[in-house]
Amino acid sequence: GAVVSQHPSRVICKSGTSVKIECRSLDFQATTMFWYRQFPKKSLMLMATSNEGSKATYEQGVEKDKFLINHASLTLSTLTVTSAHPEDSSFYICSARDRAYHEQYFGPGTRLTVT
Amino acid sequence: TQLLEQSPQFLSIQEGENLTVYCNSSSVFSSLQWYRQEPGEGPVLLVTVVTGGEVKKLKRLTFQFGDARKDSSLHITAAQPGDTGLYLCAGYAGGTSYGKLTFGQGTILTVHP
Repeated sequence: GAVVSQHPSRVICKSGTSVKIECRSLDFQATTMFWYRQFPKKSLMLMATSNEGSKATYEQGVEKDKFLINHASLTLSTLTVTSAHPEDSSFYICSARDRAYHEQYFGPGTRLTVT
Repeated sequence: TQLLEQSPQFLSIQEGENLTVYCNSSSVFSSLQWYRQEPGEGPVLLVTVVTGGEVKKLKRLTFQFGDARKDSSLHITAAQPGDTGLYLCAGYAGGTSYGKLTFGQGTILTVHP
């Protein structure tokens, strides 16, 4: 089956620093990747849609200068949390949609803790 | 307004019991997907239903898509502790949500031995 990886799986950073999270589709090409945020015992909240070679589309209420998204190739998208604060601590999950099908495949998630 | 209403949000049962999780909407979905997620991991796709009235079985799990493609259900027979997790329904709607996967609120299932 399709595999999506995320790196790192866990990261702890100090308030005010920036953190980059990578999302890769390992065995398929993904023209579209999605970034989600998830709070404990809650569902996934879509943050932005990332299309290869173009600017990301952000959901209402998500600060695009705070959460920088780059989708430079058909297999890689990155999310950079800039000037992180404790309230940015969360579980961030990416997903990639196969070019040929509607199904999305999810990465294993990244636990971000900002101290 | 939640596009996909999932219920119940919490379910705590004993091993061997049956259960059903519901996913309802006033919108029509081109497809609905069910995921299972364990703590600290990403959601894992269980099934995709596409045709109205479709029923799919995956071992002890039975998934149904409503005739009008507005609702879906997940039924688990003889639940086991290994079924514990967060179950999510999600679907592709139209309009401004076109191309985006909309998620229900999730159902946290706990199966006690």
